[in-house]
Amino acid sequence: EAGVTQSPTHLIKTRGQQATLRCSPISGHTSVYWYQQALGLGLQFLLWYDEGEERNRGNFPPRFSGRQFPNYSSELNVNALELEDSALYLCASSFRRTTGNTIYFGEGSWLTVV
Amino acid sequence: AQSVAQPEDQVNVAEGNPLTVKCTYSVSGNPYLFWYVQYPNRGLQFLLKYITGDNLVKGSYGFEAEFNKSQTSFHLKKPSALVSDSALYFCAVRDIGGTGGFKTIFGAGTRLFVKA
Repeated sequence: EAGVTQSPTHLIKTRGQQATLRCSPISGHTSVYWYQQALGLGLQFLLWYDEGEERNRGNFPPRFSGRQFPNYSSELNVNALELEDSALYLCASSFRRTTGNTIYFGEGSWLTVV
Repeated sequence: AQSVAQPEDQVNVAEGNPLTVKCTYSVSGNPYLFWYVQYPNRGLQFLLKYITGDNLVKGSYGFEAEFNKSQTSFHLKKPSALVSDSALYFCAVRDIGGTGGFKTIFGAGTRLFVKA
């Protein structure tokens, strides 16, 4: 069974540009989560989508946005890129929003802003 | 609000010795606790979780964790460490939001070095 898949693996953008990262959840999972792992800052929760709707959001500016498609895949958009946005962006998925469900991670997308 | 702390940035242990990676948590209700491992330049892999039931939870790769409610701890353990266990370990707690939503909050991570 395929795990969570993310694309692209690596992305290099210039400051001020926009970046789009994509995620396909494990088959049967309806919830998708996005995390940012910046060097020295651990995992910071970004967004949670379930059944096509945004369910929760972390402490990030509005230029971080995303959506979930009818097939439960998701994309994360980062507008007006700043150097500090350089990080590993991790997507995770789980079955329906139940408090005890395990979330499973993809391998991540490395975003470098120059 | 829920929170999780990993008091050690780094743990060093010799191969074959037992290892412990510490985690303490703060929750307002029943705790939902998780351990993940991250190898260099990879995503996080799920090791184990505590939802309810036995305080000793067994997981992948020979790891186990002990839930201690009185000490609000969920330490990760392994009886005999392997060099290949060297990685970054994250403890996580499920934050139950007020509107029915929730998010998983991760500790800062503990880097485990196992020396041959």
